[in-house]
Amino acid sequence: NAGVMQNPRHLVRRRGQEARLRCSPMKGHSHVYWYRQLPEEGLKFMVYLQKENIIDESGMPKERFSAEFPKEGPSILRIQQVVRGDSAAYFCASSTGGKNIQYFGAGTRLSVL
Amino acid sequence: RKEVEQDPGPFNVPEGATVAFNCTYSNSASQSFFWYRQDCRKEPKLLMSVYSSGNEDGRFTAQLNRASQYISLLIRDSKLSDSATYLCVVRTEKEYGNKLVFGAGTILRVKS
Repeated sequence: NAGVMQNPRHLVRRRGQEARLRCSPMKGHSHVYWYRQLPEEGLKFMVYLQKENIIDESGMPKERFSAEFPKEGPSILRIQQVVRGDSAAYFCASSTGGKNIQYFGAGTRLSVL
Repeated sequence: RKEVEQDPGPFNVPEGATVAFNCTYSNSASQSFFWYRQDCRKEPKLLMSVYSSGNEDGRFTAQLNRASQYISLLIRDSKLSDSATYLCVVRTEKEYGNKLVFGAGTILRVKS
């Protein structure tokens, strides 16, 4: 049973470009969470989605960031017009239910030049 | 004030030592508590849940004190493979699900 799959593992973008991070949850999981980890800091919650619905986006920056989890395909975290401060590790987690254990993917490391 | 606070360490201990980590949380409505382990540049992995009655898993013992809003992790007989960052994690349940709040982590280095 494959775990949470994230790709790409590493992503390099220049300032002003767009970054798309993908997350495929574990089989049987319909709840997805995105977290961001800045260097030397803990993980910070960004957004919680359940198939086609955003449940909680209280941790998402107001501008440039968006997330979706379509009926078919992976969840996508999209960052428009990236800036150097967006450089971080972005982790996705999935669970079978809103209050169940979350399992994490290996993360995508975004570097903005 | 951070919602979850931990001593960043590092804790440098010899193999076989016993080491304890502490964590405090500020939200009294928090309902679930965990310790995760994160190896360098990798994803967090659940080490154990923490219950008010205290719980043990092999060499690891976790304790929760709700009155003091304090969580601890004790590692006995440390192994080289225990070297990692230990993340204290709190969840405040809402009707629509859970959001994990992570501490910044405590670094453990076990040396031979």
